[in-house]
Amino acid sequence: NAGVMQNPRHLVRRRGQEARLRCSPMKGHSHVYWYRQLPEEGLKFMVYLQKENIIDESGMPKERFSAEFPKEGPSILRIQQVVRGDSAAYFCASSPQTWTVNYGYTFGSGTRLTVV
Amino acid sequence: TQLLEQSPQFLSIQEGENLTVYCNSSSVFSSLQWYRQEPGEGPVLLVTVVTGGEVKKLKRLTFQFGDARKDSSLHITAAQPGDTGLYLCAGVNYGGSQGNLIFGKGTKLSVKP
Repeated sequence: NAGVMQNPRHLVRRRGQEARLRCSPMKGHSHVYWYRQLPEEGLKFMVYLQKENIIDESGMPKERFSAEFPKEGPSILRIQQVVRGDSAAYFCASSPQTWTVNYGYTFGSGTRLTVV
Repeated sequence: TQLLEQSPQFLSIQEGENLTVYCNSSSVFSSLQWYRQEPGEGPVLLVTVVTGGEVKKLKRLTFQFGDARKDSSLHITAAQPGDTGLYLCAGVNYGGSQGNLIFGKGTKLSVKP
């Protein structure tokens, strides 16, 4: 049973381009969480999605960032018109429908975004 | 705003030594989780502590949740080079969704052979 799969592992974008980060949850998991880790900072919550539904986007920047988790396929974190400050490691985690936070999270290996 | 402060920020020790790292807050958390993260990888869950005063052991690692559920500690006995990594504590953001965890900045541990 594969874990949480993220791709690409590394992504380089020029300022102003779009970045698309993909997260395939563990088999049978219907909830996805995205976190961002800036250099020398802790992980910061961005968004919590269920299939076709955004549950909590309180950590998402108001502009340029969006996320989706369609009925079929991976969850996508999209960053439009990237700037140097978007350079970070982006992690996703997933959980099944019947789960509580006390079980902890399984994280993917992350996507390292570098904006040049 | 809830914050989790971890100390020390960096720790470099010799193989065989014991160490303790701390995770403190002025806020109450319903539970706290500890993760270890290696360079280039995602965090890996070590343990979740739920009850005030709870102690959990994981081989040479001992985790404790404070009685008031505002702090936690991780003690490693006879550290080994394989323990090297970034240790993170995390708790649920009060009033947020279950997916909204607050993370400390971590303790970067280096164990030298």
